Amino acid sequence: SQTIHQWPATLVQPVGSPLSLECTVEGTSNPNLYWYRQAAGRGLQLLFYSVGIGQISSEVPQNLSASRPQDRQFILSSKKLLLSDSGFYLCAWTSGRTAFYGYTFGSGTRLTVV
Amino acid sequence: LAKTTQPISMDSYEGQEVNITCSHNNIATNDYITWYQQFPSQGPRFIIQGYKTKVTNEVASLFIPADRKSSTLSLPRVSLSDTAVYYCLFVSSGSARQLTFGSGTQLTVLP
Repeated sequence: SQTIHQWPATLVQPVGSPLSLECTVEGTSNPNLYWYRQAAGRGLQLLFYSVGIGQISSEVPQNLSASRPQDRQFILSSKKLLLSDSGFYLCAWTSGRTAFYGYTFGSGTRLTVV
Repeated sequence: LAKTTQPISMDSYEGQEVNITCSHNNIATNDYITWYQQFPSQGPRFIIQGYKTKVTNEVASLFIPADRKSSTLSLPRVSLSDTAVYYCLFVSSGSARQLTFGSGTQLTVLP
């Protein structure tokens, strides 16, 4: 069966420090991978998605970047965190090119920038 | 771009049936309606998806009228553990369009 792993679960980082969040998927190949962010009490905002190795689409301009070095690995990074980067970060995957068959989300990373 | 509108919050009591309605006046012909459930500090989870009439699974039912301008998620006999945020979204079978999550409906089930 397919599983998605996301870590760490919680993170407290000072302003100006770097960030690296990792997401891996098991049990499938060539998944579509996504990074979403959720601010407190708000809906989910799509940050990046990837349809293949090295292919990254950015949905919003910001202080973050994403990379996909391997088929089932998706990394969210920042060189210098801002206070506004605080939030709940979720990785998700879906098979093929469409969301039609449903997204599967990871357990999320709660990031607090202080 | 098609947009969904749903209530911000709803309260219910244990054992009651809960109906959450979503309005989508400009839904496209190829769009399906899908619902996700999100518990605090967890990622959203797929609940149900449909195109028209009625769809039922072990968790919920989805009612979509003929004009497809709205849909209703029905949760039978809710329990405290059904307290969550419920999102109504569009998906298209032939499109690579990504999911857009609004603010959803916060359902609170009271004892």
